Amino acid sequence: NAGVTQTPKFQVLKTGQSMTLQCAQDMNHNSMYWYRQDPGMGLRLIYYSASEGTTDKGEVPNGYNVSRLNKREFSLRLESAAPSQTSVYFCASSEAWRTSTDTQYFGPGTRLTVL
Amino acid sequence: DAKTTQPTSMDCAEGRAANLPCNHSTISGNEYVYWYRQIHSQGPQYIIHGLKNNETNEMASLIITEDRKSSTLILPHATLRDTAVYYCIVRPGAGKSTFGDGTTLTVKP
Repeated sequence: NAGVTQTPKFQVLKTGQSMTLQCAQDMNHNSMYWYRQDPGMGLRLIYYSASEGTTDKGEVPNGYNVSRLNKREFSLRLESAAPSQTSVYFCASSEAWRTSTDTQYFGPGTRLTVL
Repeated sequence: DAKTTQPTSMDCAEGRAANLPCNHSTISGNEYVYWYRQIHSQGPQYIIHGLKNNETNEMASLIITEDRKSSTLILPHATLRDTAVYYCIVRPGAGKSTFGDGTTLTVKP
């Protein structure tokens, strides 16, 4: 049982390049999330998927797109990377976002640098 | 969503109890208090949560005041491995959690 896995672990991009961050969970969770964490800051929600087939914007969605490929996988795409998107990206999953007692489980993160 | 306020940093001696406070004065009646921690830029790790009763698990204890406007996370015997950023979050019913800047706990030998 691997929990939440993310690929790649590290990535360096040039301004304007595109890339997709992959996330998968094996806990049969319904909900999945993407956060970013800038140095010395807390986590900010980019997008979330309450259940398979649905996605919604979080606090900071500009410059990103997401795809909930199936129940297990939730990807984050940067279409045209900018230096302001240099950050650590965390994926998380939870059993069911509608419940008040929904615990989130996080992946190890992807460290992205945009030059 | 209810906002939380935590001290920026705290120190604790190894082997002593670490008491981390959190204020959440605008919490609603059905909102839970959650605590997570993040060790050295790893993914955040769930610690404990509660509604109005005190809670304890193998990692920590959570004390919530009777008016629910504040809470305290207690690590009973802090070790060097407990050095981390601790986040107090008020969980709205809709599933989106807002992580603030948290408290950086440094456990010293």
